[in-house]
Amino acid sequence: ELKVEQNPLFLSMQEGKNYTIYCNYSTTSDRLYWYRQDPGKSLESLFVLLSNGAVKQEGRLMASLDTKARLSTLHITAAVHDLSATYFCAVDEKGAQKLVFGQGTRLTINP
Amino acid sequence: NAGVTQTPKFQVLKTGQSMTLQCAQDMNHNSMYWYRQDPGMGLRLIYYSASEGTTDKGEVPNGYNVSRLNKREFSLRLESAAPSQTSVYFCAVRQGTLNTEAFFGQGTRLTVV
Repeated sequence: ELKVEQNPLFLSMQEGKNYTIYCNYSTTSDRLYWYRQDPGKSLESLFVLLSNGAVKQEGRLMASLDTKARLSTLHITAAVHDLSATYFCAVDEKGAQKLVFGQGTRLTINP
Repeated sequence: NAGVTQTPKFQVLKTGQSMTLQCAQDMNHNSMYWYRQDPGMGLRLIYYSASEGTTDKGEVPNGYNVSRLNKREFSLRLESAAPSQTSVYFCAVRQGTLNTEAFFGQGTRLTVV
C-alpha cells in the first residue's frame, strides 16, 4: 500500500531564509504533485513532476523529484510572508488513478 | 465556469442521521475523488472513481458509500453518521489520463454531534 510522508510537519521560519520540505513515498511511482492550501481554503496545484530528475520552479519555490530514492523536495528561497500556508505532496499509485497525499507541512514565515 | 462544486458547504448532523454530500464538475474530467481532511492527518482518500461507471475504495472507506451518477456527478453518502466522521470533505477531479493534476472543490465542513 502506498504511503506518503512529509517532514517536517510544522516549520516556522524567518523571512529571507531558505528551507526545504521533504516528501518520501513507499512504493514505485514516477508521478508526484505539490499543492498549497491557505487556512480555511481549498487546495491549489503548484507543481507536477512526471519523471526522475524533474525540476520545476515558480518564483521562490522549486520542486524536484528523485524516483530512485522515492523522494521529492520543495525548496523555498528567501522566504516571504505570503508563502505562509500548508503544503502537501501527493503521489499516484503506479498504474492507477489513486492519488495519495502526505500529511502536509504547515509553514509559517515570520517577519 | 464553476469547476468543481460541492454542496452543502456546512452541515451539522446528529449521531445516526444520514446525509449525502454532492459533487458536480463542469470540467469534463473522467476521474473524481472524495477526501477527508483532519488536523494532522493530511488528506485521506475515501473513495474514487477513475471513470464513469467505476468506483474504488481508498484509504478510509468504512462508514461511507459513493455513487458515480454520471460523468459530472459523484456523491458521498453517510448512512449513519458518527462523531468520528466530523471532518472537512473535499471532492477533486482529474482529466483521467495519467500525469494530470487534480482540481478541488471548496470543501464541505461536516460536524456530527
